[in-house]
Order: sequence, then structure tokens, then C-alpha cells
Amino acid sequence: DTEVTQTPKHLVMGMTNKKSLKCEQHMGHRAMYWYKQKAKKPPELMFVYSYEKLSINESVPSRFSPECPNSSLLNLHLHALQPEDSALYLCASSHFGLAANEQFFGPGTRLTVL
Amino acid sequence: TQLLEQSPQFLSIQEGENLTVYCNSSSVFSSLQWYRQEPGEGPVLLVTVVTGGEVKKLKRLTFQFGDARKDSSLHITAAQPGDTGLYLCAGVRATSGSRLTFGEGTQLTVNP
Repeated sequence: DTEVTQTPKHLVMGMTNKKSLKCEQHMGHRAMYWYKQKAKKPPELMFVYSYEKLSINESVPSRFSPECPNSSLLNLHLHALQPEDSALYLCASSHFGLAANEQFFGPGTRLTVL
Repeated sequence: TQLLEQSPQFLSIQEGENLTVYCNSSSVFSSLQWYRQEPGEGPVLLVTVVTGGEVKKLKRLTFQFGDARKDSSLHITAAQPGDTGLYLCAGVRATSGSRLTFGEGTQLTVNP
């Protein structure tokens, strides 16, 4: 199984809503990532989890809250978002500690904040 | 200053033509990946190169990693409309841990 799955595929939320994005992988990868991608731009790293512990937070606003319940799951909790947070949110996973660091991406969640 | 300079940014060609996309840097990379992304989908890993001078072929796609591991290229032979997409190079530097450094991407359109 070389797939990273993400739910939901699309999400529309108001600025006062609370929602969560979910990501799952069964490749035995111990590093998992959240990225934000705007149209026609490369992905921007938000968070990295290594062995279920947060290892990198790229100065992301606190309205984004990541969680890694176990080695296969990664969540991103959203609260009080702004319209400029509308984007494609991508989850990725990789083996930890390898020089190649091949990351496998999920299909993404298209988020629209009204 | 962009750490990975990718060119061209946009490319529109006719079916059957050949093309090359370049990814250049002044930094050394431990490895470099090429991804292809279609609208509304996540990037799909095409290839990883790790050895300086390495050449990998994937059907009509040829990937090369520079001898000094500072640059890479993607060459597509006889492009087809199905090759249309955003091509991203992404590298791992020895000092960057698990971070991938992305190029700005090349939007390729192959017209029938």
C-alpha cells in the first residue's frame, strides 16, 4: 500500500467554525507532514511529525493545530480561520532519517474559508 | 533568493515535441525529487536521484542529476497531452533535516 489518504476532499467553512482535516498512511512511515499550497505555487511546509512528536512548526498561526494520534494518522484542527487561509492542504509521509527523504503526498483537501 | 531555481515557469508545446525543464541551485543536495501535479490533486513522485551524474529513465522521461549535485533536469521526449501538469523539483539538503526545498514549478501544457 503506497497510498496516503485525506478526508474530506473539499471543505467550506465560516470564520467561526471548527473543523478537522484527516490524513492516513499505512506504509510504515514515521515522518508525516502538513503543507499548504496556493494555486500555481509549490507546497509550503507547515508542520512535521517524527515518531508521533511534533518536530517542526514553521511559525504557523495557532488557529492551525496539528495532532498525531498514532503512527498512521495525522490531523489538522482548524479554528477561527481567515479567508486568506483558503488553499489546498496536503499531507505527506516518508521514512524518517533517510537522505533521500522521498515524500508521498495525499490528494489534498481543498479548503474554502468564507 | 529562491534556493532552487526552476525554469521555464510556463511551457506550452504541441504534441510530439520534446522539452527540458531545469532545476538549478548554488547549494548541494543530498537528493532531488521530481513530482508531477494535476489541478486539485497532490503531487505524485516521479523519480528520486541521489548520486551525482545519475541518469534515470521512466518511459519518455529522462532525469539527470548534476555531477556536483547542485542541479537537475527533466527531459520529455514526444510529449503527449497526458503529460500536462505542474512539474516540481524538490531537494533535500544535508543541513535541512526532513525539509524539502521546492522549486517554483513548471506549468506544462501539451496541446493535441
